Amino acid sequence: DAGITQSPRHKVTETGTPVTLRCHQTENHRYMYWYRQDPGHGLRLIHYSYGVKDTDKGEVSDGYSVSRSKTEDFLLTLESATSSQTSVYFCATSRGEWSTGELFFGEGSRLTVL
Amino acid sequence: AQSVAQPEDQVNVAEGNPLTVKCTYSVSGNPYLFWYVQYPNRGLQFLLKYITGDNLVKGSYGFEAEFNKSQTSFHLKKPSALVSDSALYFCAVRDMWGGADGLTFGKGTHLIIQP
Repeated sequence: DAGITQSPRHKVTETGTPVTLRCHQTENHRYMYWYRQDPGHGLRLIHYSYGVKDTDKGEVSDGYSVSRSKTEDFLLTLESATSSQTSVYFCATSRGEWSTGELFFGEGSRLTVL
Repeated sequence: AQSVAQPEDQVNVAEGNPLTVKCTYSVSGNPYLFWYVQYPNRGLQFLLKYITGDNLVKGSYGFEAEFNKSQTSFHLKKPSALVSDSALYFCAVRDMWGGADGLTFGKGTHLIIQP
């Protein structure tokens, strides 16, 4: 299994506060992703990165920003958390552009916004 | 745009019986297809994938899936269900010539195996 660590694993915060979730990988995978999982919606892509300092928006990017200053770290920031951002967030990685695109997932970060 | 449909929110099967979890997909080009499994409070684990070649793909834990291009389907199957197979299953797709934007997932199907 790819070594993907997410932190924190659980967080409770209040509306309007900033939140940063961290994803750390030890596999030197080029591509990294942030998904959110919500009942009835499955997994939806928030942002992804195709290299250091190279990121792009996914399907549900509003209210989120990302940064990737090193290959191994991909940060997801909620600048001002809202209750609609209560969710389970998953980081995933992929080897490279010409691979089959198989994703390797972290264990998830459960965020509750009160 | 690509999409995945899992028409059943939940599938109930008696232990020892065969199981099928359905998936249909839509892509503009040729598909790469995947099945993942999620156990409670865990991340998604890869089960199997179809890239090219034989339409019947075998994966982990005795699961297999059949690619049907004419019906744009990729149903997950197992000949004899175990209680431990109870979990949430996701089908996912990407276009072979797609970019870096990962996989598109279905909404998931809860598989419940009854003793």
